[in-house]
Amino acid sequence: AQSVAQPEDQVNVAEGNPLTVKCTYSVSGNPYLFWYVQYPNRGLQFLLKYITGDNLVKGSYGFEAEFNKSQTSFHLKKPSALVSDSALYFCAVRDGNTPLVFGKGTRLSVIA
Amino acid sequence: DTAVSQTPKYLVTQMGNDKSIKCEQNLGHDTMYWYKQDSKKFLKIMFSYNNKELIINETVPNRFSPKSPDKAHLNLHINSLELGDSAVYFCASNQGSMEAFFGQGTRLTVV
Repeated sequence: AQSVAQPEDQVNVAEGNPLTVKCTYSVSGNPYLFWYVQYPNRGLQFLLKYITGDNLVKGSYGFEAEFNKSQTSFHLKKPSALVSDSALYFCAVRDGNTPLVFGKGTRLSVIA
Repeated sequence: DTAVSQTPKYLVTQMGNDKSIKCEQNLGHDTMYWYKQDSKKFLKIMFSYNNKELIINETVPNRFSPKSPDKAHLNLHINSLELGDSAVYFCASNQGSMEAFFGQGTRLTVV
């Protein structure tokens, strides 16, 4: 069975500084990895995914993530944080066509 | 055009009532899901349908019954509502192993 760990409940970063939101995963087959963002009282918005190919994937709103197979990690990054990036971020994994399994979420707070 | 739409957005009801949440997707996806997000924001899969057929039924009480009249619709009916059913319910759809698209959620409050 697949699982995702997001070790930080909360990440605080100053506006303009780089941000990282951590994610590690466990899956029996080849991992399909995703990041989603949730703003208050909204649904989940897709940010980016890793299926195959380059380990560094770029997504929406300037976010990127690096797939590291040896460390089973897929950390979300952004070079320069904006106050508007403040939200709840979810990492998710699927094994083939199985449903997405989500981490518990990390609340990102960007301070002006 | 909204890709995945759920109705209603808010639902307040008394214990013991029966209620339904509707979901429609216009993306042509074969697979649809229901997820539950609890008060701690944990997201848990409830059901998965592929081309109107039930694929996955996680440990969910029998009071929850999904129905898929066609592959663009997946409705969720809940009987005898309990306080613990209060949560946000998300519908989602996807194709193959690609990303899932989520509806805006239905906030269910049982009083």
